[in-house]
Amino acid sequence: AQSVAQPEDQVNVAEGNPLTVKCTYSVSGNPYLFWYVQYPNRGLQFLLKYITGDNLVKGSYGFEAEFNKSQTSFHLKKPSALVSDSALYFCAVRGSSGNTGKLIFGQGTTLQVKP
Amino acid sequence: DTGVSQDPRHKITKRGQNVTFRCDPISEHNRLYWYRQTLGQGPEFLTYFQNEAQLEKSRLLSDRFSAERPKGSFSTLEIQRTEQGDSAMYLCASSSQGHLNTEAFFGQGTRLTVV
Repeated sequence: AQSVAQPEDQVNVAEGNPLTVKCTYSVSGNPYLFWYVQYPNRGLQFLLKYITGDNLVKGSYGFEAEFNKSQTSFHLKKPSALVSDSALYFCAVRGSSGNTGKLIFGQGTTLQVKP
Repeated sequence: DTGVSQDPRHKITKRGQNVTFRCDPISEHNRLYWYRQTLGQGPEFLTYFQNEAQLEKSRLLSDRFSAERPKGSFSTLEIQRTEQGDSAMYLCASSSQGHLNTEAFFGQGTRLTVV
């Protein structure tokens, strides 16, 4: 069965410091991995995805993520956090078997960036 | 606005009443998904349409829930005889035909409160 784990409910960082939001996954076949961000009372906004190729993918708002196949991880990173990055972040996986394309989400990690 | 549109944004209903939500996907997208999100959790997959065909339903989708996409464009999600446990955010997403690497775009959701 496909699953995603986000081991931290909340991550606190100071503005200007680097941030990491962790994600590990379990999927049969090759994984398609995604990060989404959710602001209060809003839908999810796509940040970035890993499909194949370079293990470091770059996305919106200066975010990037590193795919590590041996550790089955896809951690979200940003070199310098902004207060406006404070939000709820979701990692999601879509397995290559089957064809519905449904996403399996982690439970989410709240990122709090303090001035 | 060419994004995914959901209506209504908020719905308060009494237990036992029926409710219906509407989703208008991005116009050229033929894949449409419904998810449910409760507080502190990631979105959970409910059902998937490719054009007008409903190709997958989650076990979460009890017989009180029904979804349609009659002309392969907009979709409706109906909940009959609502229960307090149905209170949640209902999210709709769409994506384009293609390989599984295409990201899904989400609407802002319909927040249902059953009193």
